[in-house]
Amino acid sequence: DTGVSQNPRHKITKRGQNVTFRCDPISEHNRLYWYRQTLGQGPEFLTYFQNEAQLEKSRLLSDRFSAERPKGSFSTLEIQRTEQGDSAMYLCASSLARLAVNNEQFFGPGTRLTVL
Amino acid sequence: AQTVTQSQPEMSVQEAETVTLSCTYDTSESDYYLFWYKQPPSRQMILVIRQEAYKQQNATENRFSVNFQKAAKSFSLKISDSQLGDAAMYFCAYRSGRGGSEKLVFGKGTKLTVNP
Repeated sequence: DTGVSQNPRHKITKRGQNVTFRCDPISEHNRLYWYRQTLGQGPEFLTYFQNEAQLEKSRLLSDRFSAERPKGSFSTLEIQRTEQGDSAMYLCASSLARLAVNNEQFFGPGTRLTVL
Repeated sequence: AQTVTQSQPEMSVQEAETVTLSCTYDTSESDYYLFWYKQPPSRQMILVIRQEAYKQQNATENRFSVNFQKAAKSFSLKISDSQLGDAAMYFCAYRSGRGGSEKLVFGKGTKLTVNP
């Protein structure tokens, strides 16, 4: 399977615990995005990377959230001191940046987080 | 900030019939891209169709076509000859054409049911 993969697919945690999600993009894609989708809503942008550089962050990404892409390949999203409001589907997407071309974002299956 | 509005939370269509999903958006930019994404139940989001704002011709992909009205900031999706496999959440999304901003802005989605 050469699509975007995310692990774990489901995570249940207790309030106050830290969680980390992983995203593996399509192999040649240099851009990677994180979105959050709550029930009944469309995805909301969190952040994106070009290679290992984090180029844009949403105001939704509070101090408890941190994302990394250390070698420009896979990325991790960590949430510290989880709150019940963090319960959501966390989606990862990747794209290949090319000049003067619309760069389609390919989405992974998501990680569903439940904070008890 | 750009916003995307989908005013139909749910729609239904008979198999083999045609259905139109509505989307409006708000932006002050002249260069941008519009998308329709499909999210089947428990499956990942896939791109259905895209439209570049500078193109006057409406995009078409097999049974899927759009009606892009730039002055009215309207971007509807028409699905012809509906199939059971078309049942899903459909999200309208906007992306700025300005360099350096890669985030997608999504609407809340429309749940499409296809009746046999």
